Amino acid sequence: IAGITQAPTSQILAAGRRMTLRCTQDMRHNAMYWYRQDLGLGLRLIHYSNTAGTTGKGEVPDGYSVSRANTDDFPLTLASAVPSQTSVYFCASRRENTGELFFGEGSRLTVL
Amino acid sequence: DQQVKQNSPSLSVQEGRISILNCDYTNSMFDYFLWYKKYPAEGPTFLISISSIKDKNEDGRFTVFLNKSAKHLSLHIVPSQPGDSAVYFCAASALGYGNKLVFGAGTILRVKS
Repeated sequence: IAGITQAPTSQILAAGRRMTLRCTQDMRHNAMYWYRQDLGLGLRLIHYSNTAGTTGKGEVPDGYSVSRANTDDFPLTLASAVPSQTSVYFCASRRENTGELFFGEGSRLTVL
Repeated sequence: DQQVKQNSPSLSVQEGRISILNCDYTNSMFDYFLWYKKYPAEGPTFLISISSIKDKNEDGRFTVFLNKSAKHLSLHIVPSQPGDSAVYFCAASALGYGNKLVFGAGTILRVKS
């Protein structure tokens, strides 16, 4: 079982370009999340989805959008990347009965 | 304003000794707390959790203590092993907050052999 798969693993991107980070899960979890990890700030929630067809804003949503067309996929899009979006991005899904989050291995994004 | 705070950016412990990682929270609505462990170039992995109806939960070498009146929790690792060296994140959630996890900034634990 793969769990959470993220792609790409890393990417260098010019400012102003559009970028989509992909996230796929095979655990059939309803809730999924996107976090960014920055030194000294921990993991901050960008967007979330409680079930397919619904999304919500987290703590730091500006400059990002998400969609949840089906249960398995939860892509994160940067419409016009800026250097402050340089970070490591983690996708996660939540097991309903325990509340435990399962994370992907992360996507390291550098915006120049 | 951070709702979950880990005030120690790093901690260094000798192998075999106890590691104590601390976490404070400000939101009294939080009712479920978790610790995650993260190795470099990997995603965080779940370690242990505790519900607000308990004050202690133990799993092998790992014990989490919750002091609701002080809004404080701690993770004890006994005995510490070199493989425990990682970043540890404290996280909290609340049913009234949509069960979204709020994470602390993390503490880097180094266990010296």
